[in-house]
Amino acid sequence: DTEVTQTPKHLVMGMTNKKSLKCEQHMGHRAMYWYKQKAKKPPELMFVYSYEKLSINESVPSRFSPECPNSSLLNLHLHALQPEDSALYLCASSQATGGTEAFFGQGTRLTVV
Amino acid sequence: SQKIEQNSEALNIQEGKTATLTCNYTNYSPAYLQWYRQDPGRGPVFLLLIRENEKEKRKERLKVTFDTTLKQSLFHITASQPADSATYLCARGYSTLTFGKGTMLLVSP
Repeated sequence: DTEVTQTPKHLVMGMTNKKSLKCEQHMGHRAMYWYKQKAKKPPELMFVYSYEKLSINESVPSRFSPECPNSSLLNLHLHALQPEDSALYLCASSQATGGTEAFFGQGTRLTVV
Repeated sequence: SQKIEQNSEALNIQEGKTATLTCNYTNYSPAYLQWYRQDPGRGPVFLLLIRENEKEKRKERLKVTFDTTLKQSLFHITASQPADSATYLCARGYSTLTFGKGTMLLVSP
């Protein structure tokens, strides 16, 4: 299984809502990532988890809260988002945090209204 | 600052020709570069990784080169097909990936 599965595929939420994005991989990868991609822009790194510990936070606002419950799962909890947070949120995993390719999920298309 | 640049936003070629995409880097020497393909509304898909001590790497119709003197990587698709139409992203990084802006390739029949 070489897939990274993200749910939901689409999400519309109001600015006062709380929602969560989920990501799952069963490749035994120990590094997992959240990226944000706006239209016609490249993906931009948000968070890196290595061996289930948060290792990098790219100065992401606290309204985004990542969680890694175990080595196969990665969540992104969303609260009090702004319309400008609307984007494609991509989860990725890799064997290690350096020198290996990343496997990306299909993404969650988030719209904040 | 360390930059990775894909200067061509778009490239149009005819089916059967070779597409050549360019990735330049400045102010650092990456240990390796990666190339990804991204279709609209979908996540990037890994294509090739080339290390700084490798001049060239091939996979089926794909070839990537790494020229540390020119600070440049070239990505080639030979015998291009309309199905190769997509955005191609160059990426650098060790513990994280920083992507170039991408080049949108359109292969016309």
